[in-house]
This record gives sequence, structure tokens and C-alpha cells, in this order.
Amino acid sequence: DSGVTQTPKHLITATGQRVTLRCSPRSGDLSVYWYQQSLDQGLQFLIQYYNGEERAKGNILERFSAQQFPDLHSELNLSSLELGDSALYFCASSVAGVKGTQYFGPGTRLTVL
Amino acid sequence: DQQVKQNSPSLSVQEGRISILNCDYTNSMFDYFLWYKKYPAEGPTFLISISSIKDKNEDGRFTVFLNKSAKHLSLHIVPSQPGDSAVYFCAAGRLGDSNYQLIWGAGTKLIIKP
Repeated sequence: DSGVTQTPKHLITATGQRVTLRCSPRSGDLSVYWYQQSLDQGLQFLIQYYNGEERAKGNILERFSAQQFPDLHSELNLSSLELGDSALYFCASSVAGVKGTQYFGPGTRLTVL
Repeated sequence: DQQVKQNSPSLSVQEGRISILNCDYTNSMFDYFLWYKKYPAEGPTFLISISSIKDKNEDGRFTVFLNKSAKHLSLHIVPSQPGDSAVYFCAAGRLGDSNYQLIWGAGTKLIIKP
């Protein structure tokens, strides 16, 4: 158990809908990262927050947005969903930025029908 | 443009033998490299890392080698055990980059045969 929690575990929705994925980092970790893993692909970095502020942005679509709240939990919002958005979405946390090892949650499997 | 490549999608190794997983990168600015292991239905778990000032880092059965001139790193697992069967990802980044992000390979599925 990494100490990072993600909810929900599974999500099935239809095209055009909007969903919110939630992540609680390990106690004491200030950085939260979101990743997308499509079938048989590597992890694609989406976005990083550090202590409530956006720190780095990767290949995140404009239809996707995220935020980190004062209690340090984070939410990833995916809107106008398309079939291609079906993937595993992982959240990771670390104490600081790059120098901190990233600890991953179990992921949310999103299926868009 | 794949900056981090793991060219072997899968690797099968006999229990007790050495497993060698390879990773190539193209960006010479990367100075920090990590290996993660992932079981099905779980998130990746950190295994071992190496910075570019070193060419080897060892942790128990796991050793990572870095060849900067070849832009190549490898993970050696000796001896291989059944519990090592998993997908292994290598990742690379730049420690000094304020917009730091890890770039990940596609993973290699390691199967340890009894």
C-alpha cells in the first residue's frame, strides 16, 4: 500500500459526459501528479501540482483540468469525453518535486462507451 | 517523439537466472533515471534510481547501469524470482528543470519461468 488513494476504482460513462477523478496523496506529500496510461502504452504525464499550485504541465488536453485543494487532495476533471479517453488514470505523490520519489495510487480505470 | 524507449515489450527468464531490462533515451539533458515495477491492477512502485553522476547503483538484487555515451540504461535482477514477474517501466527526467516531469518508456513485461 503506497498510501495514495484514488477514487473511484472503476468508472464507466458515455461519450460527451464529464467525470471527476479524486486523489488523496500520502500524508505529508505536497506534490501530486496525474498520469494517463492507455492500453499497452507507457505512462503519459498530464499535470503536476505542488502545494496547491500548478507546477508542470504535460500532454494534457484542453478538455481536461485539474486542481489541488488546501487539504492537498487533487481532482482531475475530464469533460466532453471521447472513446479514446478510455484509459487508466494514475495519481502519484511525492514530498517535493523531482527529488522526491513518486508514490502511485492504484489508478482509476475509465471506460467511455 | 519517444524520448525514452523500451524496445522489448516482453522478456522471459528462468527463475534463478539474471534478468536484464534495457532502456534507451534520446535527450542528453536527462540526468535522473528511475525504474518502476507494476503489477496488474496496481499502480507502479518505485524500484531504484540513478543520477547521471554515477554509472551504477545497487540495491539488493537490483542494479541499474547507466551508459551516458550510449544513452542507455539497464536494470539487472539477480537472481530472478517468481515475484519479479511484472511490467517494468524506466523513466527519465531533469533534476534542475523547474518544469520537471518524468518521461516514461512503454514498459517491458518480465515473465519469470519456474
